[in-house]
Amino acid sequence: EAQVTQNPRYLITVTGKKLTVTCSQNMNHEYMSWYRQDPGLGLRQIYYSMNVEVTDKGDVPEGYKVSRKEKRNFPLILESPSPNQTSLYFCASSWWGRDTEAFFGQGTRLTVV
Amino acid sequence: ILNVEQSPQSLHVQEGDSTNFTCSFPSSNFYALHWYRWETAKSPEALFVMTLNGDEKKKGRISATLNTKEGYSYLYIKGSQPEDSATYLCASDMKSSGDKLTFGTGTRLAVRP
Repeated sequence: EAQVTQNPRYLITVTGKKLTVTCSQNMNHEYMSWYRQDPGLGLRQIYYSMNVEVTDKGDVPEGYKVSRKEKRNFPLILESPSPNQTSLYFCASSWWGRDTEAFFGQGTRLTVV
Repeated sequence: ILNVEQSPQSLHVQEGDSTNFTCSFPSSNFYALHWYRWETAKSPEALFVMTLNGDEKKKGRISATLNTKEGYSYLYIKGSQPEDSATYLCASDMKSSGDKLTFGTGTRLAVRP
């Protein structure tokens, strides 16, 4: 089954404690991205990757890091989480090409206290 | 960030009613317009990706139209059912955006049995 898998689904952590949210897709997609969803705002892109070892900032990259060492995986790293990073996070993947649909993971609800 | 706007913000209809909502996007540098359906506690799922002015797409009781010259798209649901209850997201892909989708805040639809 074609899917994008994120883990964990829910996470409560403390300020400053490094964490990683994993994302894996099994569709051999070149393009992967991370979004955050906050109340009253649309999904905002954090980082994206057009292929292995190619990553770039989205609209709200501050406080986040990513890596793309393998095509299928695109982890999101919060080196020193802060309460303003409390949000719902989605990973998405798609074929390169602008008329192709994005496939989303199940979401990770992160709370930083 | 270029704005994508959706209206109404929320909508309550009776089972069997037909309904429609609007997505407005910047018409300059347009490349593609995406519609996604997002049910609570699930991943957003693609409904349509549209690129051509005047394009009309249909999936079951749901259809969408696109006007790229004036920068809007309509999503129609014919004979709404309770299982249509979800948030409907649109996203614009601009030529200058490097495949980045800019999302609206969504229209939340509730269908009463």
